[in-house]
Amino acid sequence: GDSVTQMEGPVTLSEEAFLTINCTYTATGYPSLFWYVQYPGEGLQLLLKATKADDKGSNKGFEATYRKETTSFHLEKGSVQVSDSAVYFCALIDSGGGADGLTFGKGTHLIIQP
Amino acid sequence: DAGVIQSPRHEVTEMGQEVTLRCKPISGHNSLFWYRQTMMRGLELLIYFNNNVPIDDSGMPEDRFSAKMPNASFSTLKIQPSEPRDSAVYFCASSSGQASQPQHFGDGTRLSIL
Repeated sequence: GDSVTQMEGPVTLSEEAFLTINCTYTATGYPSLFWYVQYPGEGLQLLLKATKADDKGSNKGFEATYRKETTSFHLEKGSVQVSDSAVYFCALIDSGGGADGLTFGKGTHLIIQP
Repeated sequence: DAGVIQSPRHEVTEMGQEVTLRCKPISGHNSLFWYRQTMMRGLELLIYFNNNVPIDDSGMPEDRFSAKMPNASFSTLKIQPSEPRDSAVYFCASSSGQASQPQHFGDGTRLSIL
């Protein structure tokens, strides 16, 4: 079956540091890939997505590139802020055209210290 | 635009009681998903509907759980009888139904079974 593996947290960084959160996946088909962010007490919000190989998703300074050869979708940001502290989920849909549910990684808790 | 609306936000009840969680998807979305989030298992898909029809309920943990979608603007997830191990945050999400389109999440219902 499909699965998503992402680095365990918590990840603690200082403000303005460079961020990488690793994500790799296994899928039987050709999935669409997503990063979602969850702030305390809230639901998940879509951060960015990519639907085909070599696509780069970007939003709010975050980027991730769909790498089919390494089955990866690592999340990066050049300079993090305290407000980026949240839990980040890598996810995929491998539906072959229909609407299926998301398969999520376990989530990475990011803590940014001032 | 209104997002996905879930109610109640919090529910505390005693073991054995019936629990009903409610969801209003985004208008125009034809796919609806129920997820459960726990510390141990992360985010899991319970069931999803397409055009009000249940497509995949393989994630529903047992017969105590049931979900309905009587119309395009309303869905319920019911647990009867409830047990302490059902304590979790339950999320509803909706999408346009295409795999490449993101799912939009509600703020969740935090359920505690005593």
